[in-house]
Amino acid sequence: AQTVTQSQPEMSVQEAETVTLSCTYDTSENNYYLFWYKQPPSRQMILVIRQEAYKQQNATENRFSVNFQKAAKSFSLKISDSQLGDTAMYFCAFSDTDKYIFGTGTRLKVLA
Amino acid sequence: DAGITQSPRYKITETGRQVTLMCHQTWSHSYMFWYRQDLGHGLRLIYYSAAADITDKGEVPDGYVVSRSKTENFPLTLESATRSQTSVYFCASSWGADGYTFGSGTRLTVV
Repeated sequence: AQTVTQSQPEMSVQEAETVTLSCTYDTSENNYYLFWYKQPPSRQMILVIRQEAYKQQNATENRFSVNFQKAAKSFSLKISDSQLGDTAMYFCAFSDTDKYIFGTGTRLKVLA
Repeated sequence: DAGITQSPRYKITETGRQVTLMCHQTWSHSYMFWYRQDLGHGLRLIYYSAAADITDKGEVPDGYVVSRSKTENFPLTLESATRSQTSVYFCASSWGADGYTFGSGTRLTVV
């Protein structure tokens, strides 16, 4: 069965600094999708970034980028120039069919 | 507005009562899902549906019932609520593996 592991329950970063959130996963499949979701205090789940496993290029979305290491089954999220609005819970997710498997989340706090 | 709507946003119920959480989507997505979110567990899949009249169990289905008579609706029923079912419940929809649309969640408290 596939699993997703986020080993950092909580992290903090100073405003304007860079932070990296870790995610590892386990699968025997070759084709799949990986996602990072942000959940601010409003509770809404917001898609931050998506990576397709067959694409070797790392996905980027403005200040958010990923380091996708397929052989190592690693999918870390880098947030550059952190802003106070980045304070949230971040979930890593995996999908090879129609269902997602989520990690347990990393609570990120951006400090002024 | 198009999207996915969950109701209610908050619910308090008593142990043993039946409660239904509603989910409605306007995207005409084939797939719909119910997850529960608990601290230390992330989001866990309760039930999902690939199309109208097709439902299947997820990771934590015990104590829950779902139905999908219409493509746009996917209600989740707790037949006899227990305190362990206190959680935040998310409904989601998608075409397939490449992206979910989430509802805004229902915080359910069972007392």
